Amino acid sequence: RKEVEQDPGPFNVPEGATVAFNCTYSNSASQSFFWYRQDCRKEPKLLMSVYSSGNEDGRFTAQLNRASQYISLLIRDSKLSDSATYLCVVNDDYKLSFGAGTTVTVRA
Amino acid sequence: NAGVTQTPKFQVLKTGQSMTLQCAQDMNHNSMYWYRQDPGMGLRLIYYSASEGTTDKGEVPNGYNVSRLNKREFSLRLESAAPSQTSVYFCASRGTADTQYFGPGTRLTVL
Repeated sequence: RKEVEQDPGPFNVPEGATVAFNCTYSNSASQSFFWYRQDCRKEPKLLMSVYSSGNEDGRFTAQLNRASQYISLLIRDSKLSDSATYLCVVNDDYKLSFGAGTTVTVRA
Repeated sequence: NAGVTQTPKFQVLKTGQSMTLQCAQDMNHNSMYWYRQDPGMGLRLIYYSASEGTTDKGEVPNGYNVSRLNKREFSLRLESAAPSQTSVYFCASRGTADTQYFGPGTRLTVL
């Protein structure tokens, strides 16, 4: 079983729509959680950390459910520039475990 | 502020050739990492260095060696390249709150 699993998508949504997707993680002792964004053939960049109480950063909302071991990301009012692959990342002490990514394409 | 830099950006090798991928960071971070990324898979950790002078194996270390030359630099060496090592290689350093900062990547093809 993979440590972090994501629906690969793609999620193809019109501008202005809301899109949401989850990832699940296997290690119940995982300590911290993140969403990274990766544009085609570029390096991953931190989008936001995910806190236990849930958190927002502009149009992005992240939620953590420790009991069910999943993390979610919701994007409101999608922009063309949101088209990317979103990586779910879980920190286990020194090591980050990466999901394979969820691809989002926002169309005009 | 350069962040994390990697060289080269692209490389083509023949099976059996060797090469070293270079990585440097200017953020004074203690921990540095080497990952590979293959299509349809998440980034997989090859080696990491928690601090200057230490290195440890990650998930997929076979066929690779590393050197933590100083606090800034962490290199990855392929002694005898194989087609299975065709991949995109990312170096990263770890900052505060466990976030990692990535270099632009090296796209390696082994024929």
